[in-house]
Formats: sequence, C-alpha cells, structure tokens
Amino acid sequence: EAAVTQSPRSKVAVTGGKVTLSCHQTNNHDYMYWYRQDTGHGLRLIHYSYVADSTEKGDIPDGYKASRPSQENFSLILELASLSQTAVYFCASSDDRGREQYFGPGTRLTVL
Amino acid sequence: GDSVTQTEGLVTVTEGLPVKLNCTYQTTYLTIAFFWYVQYLNEAPQVLLKSSTDNKRTEHQGFHATLHKSSSSFHLQKSSAQLSDSALYYCALMGYGSSGNKLIFGIGTLLSVKP
Repeated sequence: EAAVTQSPRSKVAVTGGKVTLSCHQTNNHDYMYWYRQDTGHGLRLIHYSYVADSTEKGDIPDGYKASRPSQENFSLILELASLSQTAVYFCASSDDRGREQYFGPGTRLTVL
Repeated sequence: GDSVTQTEGLVTVTEGLPVKLNCTYQTTYLTIAFFWYVQYLNEAPQVLLKSSTDNKRTEHQGFHATLHKSSSSFHLQKSSAQLSDSALYYCALMGYGSSGNKLIFGIGTLLSVKP
C-alpha cells in the first residue's frame, strides 16, 4: 500500500524563523508534491519534483523553497516564516504527473 | 484559465437521505480526467472516485459520479448518506497537455451528515 509520511506532524514557529518540513515516500514514485491547505482555497500546489536534485515551481511558490535529495525524500523550506504561512501542508507522490496522487497525513504549521 | 468550481462551504444532510455535491469546470485541456478526493477529519486526502470517460457512471463505496463534458460537470452523489460520510470532499481536474499534465483542485465541500 502507498505510504507517504511527513514530519513533524505539527509545528509552531516564530515569524522570521526558518522552518523545514520533511516528506518521505516508499512508493517508488518519481513525482512528489507539496500543497498547502487553507479554508476557502482548497489545496494549492507550492512545488513539485519529478527527479532527485531537481524541483519545479507550482502555483504559489513565493516564500517557499524545496529540496529533493533522493527519490524518497522531499523537503519544503520556509527561510523566513511569516504569519500568512500558517496552514496545513500536505506532501503527495505519484508515479506520473497524470496519475493519482497519494497524500501524506499533513503537517499543521502555526507561525506566531 | 483552468478552474474547478464546487458547491461552496458546508452541506448538511440527514442520515439516510440522498446527497449531491456539485462540481463544474472550465478548461482548455483537450484530454481530461476527474477525481473526487475525500478527506476525513485529521487524515490525508484519498481518492474516492476517478473517471476519464464521458457519460460513464463511476461508483465506489456507495458514491457515484458521471463525467458530462457537455455540461462540464462531475457531480458526486449518494442515494443514502451515512454518518461516516461526514468529511471534506475535493473535486479535481487532471489536464493532459503537451507541455505537461496538471491536477487542479476545487476549494472543497464539507459534508456533515446528521442523525
């Protein structure tokens, strides 16, 4: 069964601080994605990657960086966290960008 | 541009009664597929239904949906709602293009089933 895990599951950060969210998948999928979830906006794509050591911008990349050091791992980095980045973040993977995406359990980030 | 519009906000239905969650779309993609994702409280979104065939009914877990390209819709329906159906539902359009494929989500509809 598809397995995408995220860490931490929740985090409180201070404005201006650096935050790193991690994602690990055991699906042997090439594609990995980072979304943020906000009420009234649904799921919005931040960054994605289809191969290790390469990332692509999604629809809302400003204020976020991504890193894909291996096929299994994909990180989302907030260099200078801001209040507006308070949200739930989901990682997902798929074997092709046109195929079903499998989501992780999410990370609830609160920036104070 | 490409977009997915869902029944907004909260839909409340009484257990045992039918439920319908609306989903319409606009797209420039010539080849498309659709997903309904369901997200239970504190869980990850997961695929409930998927379809790429026009006018073909797709069913899973008592839910059904039919892609109607003529009306640009992929509504989700169930004849008898259960308490366990309470969740957040996302309609998503997958567009297939020469410059790459893209999954576009609606904003989600929260379904609350009451006894």
